[in-house]
Order: sequence, then structure tokens, then C-alpha cells
Amino acid sequence: AQKVTQAQTEISVVEKEDVTLDCVYETRDTTYYLFWYKQPPSGELVFLIRRNSFDEQNEISGRYSWNFQKSTSSFNFTITASQVVDSAVYFCALSEAQRGNQGGKLIFGQGTELSVKP
Amino acid sequence: DTEVTQTPKHLVMGMTNKKSLKCEQHMGHRAMYWYKQKAKKPPELMFVYSYEKLSINESVPSRFSPECPNSSLLNLHLHALQPEDSALYLCASSLPGRSEAFFGQGTRLTVV
Repeated sequence: AQKVTQAQTEISVVEKEDVTLDCVYETRDTTYYLFWYKQPPSGELVFLIRRNSFDEQNEISGRYSWNFQKSTSSFNFTITASQVVDSAVYFCALSEAQRGNQGGKLIFGQGTELSVKP
Repeated sequence: DTEVTQTPKHLVMGMTNKKSLKCEQHMGHRAMYWYKQKAKKPPELMFVYSYEKLSINESVPSRFSPECPNSSLLNLHLHALQPEDSALYLCASSLPGRSEAFFGQGTRLTVV
């Protein structure tokens, strides 16, 4: 069975601090995809990144970086120099490889609520 | 701005009412989804349409009835809901064979 665990329910930091959100996943598939989404209070889930199981390269996008380690089944997300606008709930998600043209089911972790204080 | 548009943004309905939630996207995506999200919980998949055909139904009660009239539109018809069905209903879309879904802002539904 597939499962995503985000052990940190809430994190509070002061602006300009770095913060890492942890994500651990379980799957028996050899081909799978990992995601991070941001959900601000408005409700929309904003897609941040997709990683496939064969690509363990870390990625950096501005103040955001992601560390994928298959050996520990982890896909952690770091925000450098956090800002108040980063305050949101962040979800890590897992999807198996698609069969044919069927749409993909996302399995979400419980989410981490990040609060960045000025 | 999101390219997946959901209407209405808020809906209050009685348990005997019939209402519909609407979702529209013009990104050429041929997979569309309904997710349900309760407060302080992650989204849970309800239905998936692929090329306008229902491909996944996660054992959702029949009081929720999805419809995909064309490749850009997705509806969720609601009838005889219960107060516990109150939640944020999120529509999403993706390219076929791709699982990164793009979400709308959701409809906050309250059943009274």
C-alpha cells in the first residue's frame, strides 16, 4: 500500500529563518512520482514540484529546494530565508506510474502547517 | 491565477436540496478529478475522468454524481447530502498519463 507521512503537524519560524519540511513515503512500486503542493488560506492547492523515482537529483528553485533520497524513502523540502507569504499548509504527495491514459491518484500526507512570523 | 475555475466558491444547501458544482479548464487536459477535503485534513480523491469517461470512483456514495459533458467541463451533482458532507470540494486536471494535477480554488460546501 502507498503511504505518505509528514510527521511535523505545525512549524512556526521567524522571517528569514530556513525551514525544512519532512516527507517520508512508502510504496512497493519501482516507478512512482513524488510531489509537493502549497495550500494557502484561499484553499487552492498550488503545484510546486514533481519528481520521478528514477531522478534523485536535488532541485533548487529560488528559495525552495528539494532533497530526494530513495535510500531513506524521503523527499524533504527546504525554504531558505522564509517570508511571511510562505505561511501555508504544505502537502507531500505520492502517485504510482500511470497505466495507459488513466488519470493519476494522488496520495497525500497529512500536511504541515507552516507559520512564518514577521 | 489558477487555470482551473470552480463555481460557486461558497455554497450552503439544505439536506433536501439538489445543487451542482462546476469546474472548467482550458489547458487541454484530458484527465479531470474531484477531491474532497475536510478541515485540517488532506484532500481525498472521489472521482477521476479520463477522456470524458469515468475511470476511478473511490466508492463515493450515490448522493454525489459526477458528470463530464466535454473535455473542458466537469460537474458534481449533489442530492440529499448530510451535514458530514460539508467540506472543501476541489477540482483538478492533468494531462493524460501525468499525475501532477492542477487544482482550482475549490467550493466550500456547507450542508445544513
